[in-house]
Amino acid sequence: GDSVTQMEGPVTLSEEAFLTINCTYTATGYPSLFWYVQYPGEGLQLLLKATKADDKGSNKGFEATYRKETTSFHLEKGSVQVSDSAVYFCALTGSASKIIFGSGTRLSIRP
Amino acid sequence: DAGVIQSPRHEVTEMGQEVTLRCKPISGHNSLFWYRQTMMRGLELLIYFNNNVPIDDSGMPEDRFSAKMPNASFSTLKIQPSEPRDSAVYFCASRGGWEQYFGPGTRLTVT
Repeated sequence: GDSVTQMEGPVTLSEEAFLTINCTYTATGYPSLFWYVQYPGEGLQLLLKATKADDKGSNKGFEATYRKETTSFHLEKGSVQVSDSAVYFCALTGSASKIIFGSGTRLSIRP
Repeated sequence: DAGVIQSPRHEVTEMGQEVTLRCKPISGHNSLFWYRQTMMRGLELLIYFNNNVPIDDSGMPEDRFSAKMPNASFSTLKIQPSEPRDSAVYFCASRGGWEQYFGPGTRLTVT
């Protein structure tokens, strides 16, 4: 069945460092891909999306490119801030209207 | 729109008691999802509805859990009887297009 695999955390970086969180997927057909972010004490919220191969989703300085050939959707940011500390979930649209989430990667940024 | 509304935000109860969690989806959304999040198991999909009809309840852990959606603007998740291992944050989410919106969650503690 459809699934999402993302790098295990926690990931700890210094402020202004470059961030990559890896995500790969398995799916039949052509799913849409998402990154969601969960700040402490809150629900998940959509960070960015890509709906077809080679699309690049971007928001708040984060980017991810839909790579069909490598079935990947890695999240990147050039210079992280303390306020980016959160849990990040990679996800895809599965069968019917269900979204399948990865296990989440906790990111901590040191000042 | 106020977003997805969940109540209560926090619930503390004793083992064996009945617990009812409530959710009001975003108006116009036709899919509703219940999730459970714990440190050990991460984010788990319990059940989801399309147009008020339960589509997939394979994530409901056992018969003690039940969910209803009597109309398009209201859903409940009931646990009877509750057990300490049910302690978690329970999220409701709704979806009208491709983006899924999460509520703030209900933190349940069963002592």
